Amino acid sequence: DAGITQSPRHKVTETGTPVTLRCHQTENHRYMYWYRQDPGHGLRLIHYSYGVKDTDKGEVSDGYSVSRSKTEDFLLTLESATSSQTSVYFCAISERQGTTEAFFGQGTRLTVV
Amino acid sequence: QKEVEQNSGPLSVPEGAIASLNCTYSDRGSQSFFWYRQYSGKSPELIMFIYSNGDKEDGRFTAQLNKASQYVSLLIRDSQPSDSATYLCAVNQGGKLIFGQGTELSVKP
Repeated sequence: DAGITQSPRHKVTETGTPVTLRCHQTENHRYMYWYRQDPGHGLRLIHYSYGVKDTDKGEVSDGYSVSRSKTEDFLLTLESATSSQTSVYFCAISERQGTTEAFFGQGTRLTVV
Repeated sequence: QKEVEQNSGPLSVPEGAIASLNCTYSDRGSQSFFWYRQYSGKSPELIMFIYSNGDKEDGRFTAQLNKASQYVSLLIRDSQPSDSATYLCAVNQGGKLIFGQGTELSVKP
């Protein structure tokens, strides 16, 4: 299994609070991605990173920010959590840009009440 | 129009039959295509990838790519109950891996 760990695995938070999810990899892969998965929508890209301090927006980036200060860590922050951000969040990593498979973390189930 | 679209299913096939899963994409510049399988409550895992027009076979799985028509498909031969899962099509578009909404497959014994 690819060395990719998400934390926390489960979280319940209140509306309006900031939340940070962490993705940690031990594979030294350049590319890292954050997705959310909701019924009927598949996986939707939130943000991705193509190197340290290099990030870009995905399809559903509003209300989310990311940071990557070192190769192994990619943080996703919900600046002020809303109920619409209740979802399962997946981190993925890949070695090269789109020509190799992406490996996924175990997912984080986030509930905003 | 979604960038990557799949027939949403659910698709139900009897054990031993061929399951056919389809995916269309909007960006003609897309170069690489992936099929992932996701069991309920688990992470997606790669089944196959394809870059060139035509067929690519791996065991019971065959991926087919037609860039002119902008579709990619996955055939599962001799379907087994253990193949019951959601199948996700993914397309690389400018470095972003974009997924379809997934097709739920149920293989009945």
